[in-house]
Amino acid sequence: NAGVTQTPKFRILKIGQSMTLQCTQDMNHNYMYWYRQDPGMGLKLIYYSVGAGITDKGEVPNGYNVSRSTTEDFPLRLELAAPSQTSVYFCASSTRLLTGGSILPDEQYFGPGTRLTVT
Amino acid sequence: GENVEQHPSTLSVQEGDSAVIKCTYSDSASNYFPWYKQELGKGPQLIIDIRSNVGEKKDQRIAVTLNKTAKHFSLHITETQPEDSAVYFCAASPLRDDKIIFGKGTRLHILP
Repeated sequence: NAGVTQTPKFRILKIGQSMTLQCTQDMNHNYMYWYRQDPGMGLKLIYYSVGAGITDKGEVPNGYNVSRSTTEDFPLRLELAAPSQTSVYFCASSTRLLTGGSILPDEQYFGPGTRLTVT
Repeated sequence: GENVEQHPSTLSVQEGDSAVIKCTYSDSASNYFPWYKQELGKGPQLIIDIRSNVGEKKDQRIAVTLNKTAKHFSLHITETQPEDSAVYFCAASPLRDDKIIFGKGTRLHILP
């Protein structure tokens, strides 16, 4: 298993340009997430998905869009890049444990990240 | 919603000594508490997790304790080694929530 893969690794955008950050997982996980990590800071949730065709906003969704047409792929779209979107972007996936009739959260597997600079 | 506070933000420890990182959470319904380690230039990776039905869990030099009454949990690393230098994140997952909420991270330096 390759796990969670992200492309590209690095990208420089000019203000106003658009781009799509790709994320693919091969673990058949239903749950997928996009985070951004600013220098020296923690992880902020942008969008997440609990399955194909279902997406929801996280803590900082403005300026981003997502889609989930398949279980494997969860691309993140930046329509009008702004300097405030300079960050490292991480995609993650997870599953749920079914134990004793309860559905429990489980480990999130992270991709290697995409470093984006908007100038 | 859930809020996770993590302390300290930076911790320097002599090699061989122990390191302790503490977190508090606000939502008493949270029942899953993972800890992630992030090395430079990489994505976070789970190192240990604990669920609300236990108070302590150990894995070699790493242990996590959970106090549900006080709503805090801690990461303990014993006999620290240079490769323990990294950023550590705690997190909490409320029951029936599809997200986990991360703390702001602790940068751990192991001094030679």
